[in-house]
Amino acid sequence: DTEVTQTPKHLVMGMTNKKSLKCEQHMGHRAMYWYKQKAKKPPELMFVYSYEKLSINESVPSRFSPECPNSSLLNLHLHALQPEDSALYLCASSQAGTALDEQFFGPGTRLTVL
Amino acid sequence: AQSVSQHNHHVILSEAASLELGCNYSYGGTVNLFWYVQYPGQHLQLLLKYFSGDPLVKGIKGFEAEFIKSKFSFNLRKPSVQWSDTAEYFCAVNSNTGNQFYFGTGTSLTVIP
Repeated sequence: DTEVTQTPKHLVMGMTNKKSLKCEQHMGHRAMYWYKQKAKKPPELMFVYSYEKLSINESVPSRFSPECPNSSLLNLHLHALQPEDSALYLCASSQAGTALDEQFFGPGTRLTVL
Repeated sequence: AQSVSQHNHHVILSEAASLELGCNYSYGGTVNLFWYVQYPGQHLQLLLKYFSGDPLVKGIKGFEAEFIKSKFSFNLRKPSVQWSDTAEYFCAVNSNTGNQFYFGTGTSLTVIP
């Protein structure tokens, strides 16, 4: 299984809602990532988990809260988002701590904040 | 900090034309280099990668890239493009010690039938 799955595919939420994005991989990877991607732009790194511990937080606002319950799962909890947070949210995984770190990307969750 | 530059922001080609997309990076250490493609409405897929060895690497769908260390470049090439190659192309770099990827700004390729 060389796939990263993400749910839901699409999400529409209001600014007062609380929702969560989910990501799962079964490749035995120990590093997982959240990226935000706007149209026609490169992915922007948000968070990196390595061995289930948060290792990088790229100064992301606290309305985004990541969680890594185990080595296969990664969540992104959303609360009080703004319309400018509308984007494609990508999850990726890779083998952690090796020199051969290729990232595998999921299909993304298309988020719209009203 | 590392940075990755893709100078061609938007490229328009006719089918069967040859393609070369530029990618330059700034990092003095040992790097791993990647090209990802994102077809319309689809997720990022790896086209090819370079870790070590032969600087000319071949990827999927007829793409290849050449690592020129002295020029800090990793340009993507394809001899003859097809309409189905229309997509966003991203160059990415990471060091051989870190988890963090650095993406270029991307090149939008449109192939006209």
